[in-house]
Amino acid sequence: DAGVTQSPTHLIKTRGQQVTLRCSPKSGHDTVSWYQQALGQGPQFIFQYYEEEERQRGNFPDRFSGHQFPNYSSELNVNALLLGDSALYLCASSPRTGTVRTLNTEAFFGQGTRLTVV
Amino acid sequence: KNEVEQSPQNLTAQEGEFITINCSYSVGISALHWLQQHPGGGIVSLFMLSSGKKKHGRLIATINIQEKHSSLHITASHPRDSAVYICAAPPNIYYGGSQGNLIFGKGTKLSVKP
Repeated sequence: DAGVTQSPTHLIKTRGQQVTLRCSPKSGHDTVSWYQQALGQGPQFIFQYYEEEERQRGNFPDRFSGHQFPNYSSELNVNALLLGDSALYLCASSPRTGTVRTLNTEAFFGQGTRLTVV
Repeated sequence: KNEVEQSPQNLTAQEGEFITINCSYSVGISALHWLQQHPGGGIVSLFMLSSGKKKHGRLIATINIQEKHSSLHITASHPRDSAVYICAAPPNIYYGGSQGNLIFGKGTKLSVKP
């Protein structure tokens, strides 16, 4: 089992460009969450996808969008890149428990994509 | 004020020392995650606990839900334990599904010197 895989590992983009990051969840997981981690900070929740729809969203502008495919893999798109978008982007997958109370499942994280905007 | 606070921010220890990292949270949760992040960036889940104590090798995690406090202990620390340790919590137990919107602490950077 490859676990959670993200691509690419590193990326350099110019301000104003668009970028697409990819994530394949761990086998058996159908829920993908994306996080942005600025240098020296803890990760911040961007959004979560399951059943091919965005289910929850953190405090990020509409320039951040995503997609989930039928095979549960996911993409994070960022438009009109700003210098402040430079960060490590982490993907986490988990199985959706499907009930309100049993939300506590172990999260599996990818290695992240290091995005640098110049 | 961050809803999940960790202390200390930085910790330097000598090999063999007993390490304690603390996490306090103000959100209502039913479980808390301890994660390890190495310099390359990847995050590994160490523990998820909702009560009492869990142990894995030299790592021990405890939580007191009533006091909203958790600790991560490392016994007989080793230089390979050097990493950033992060605690994270889902903000609301009445969230249908998995814990996608974890709230993270800023992390504790641990350096263990030989």
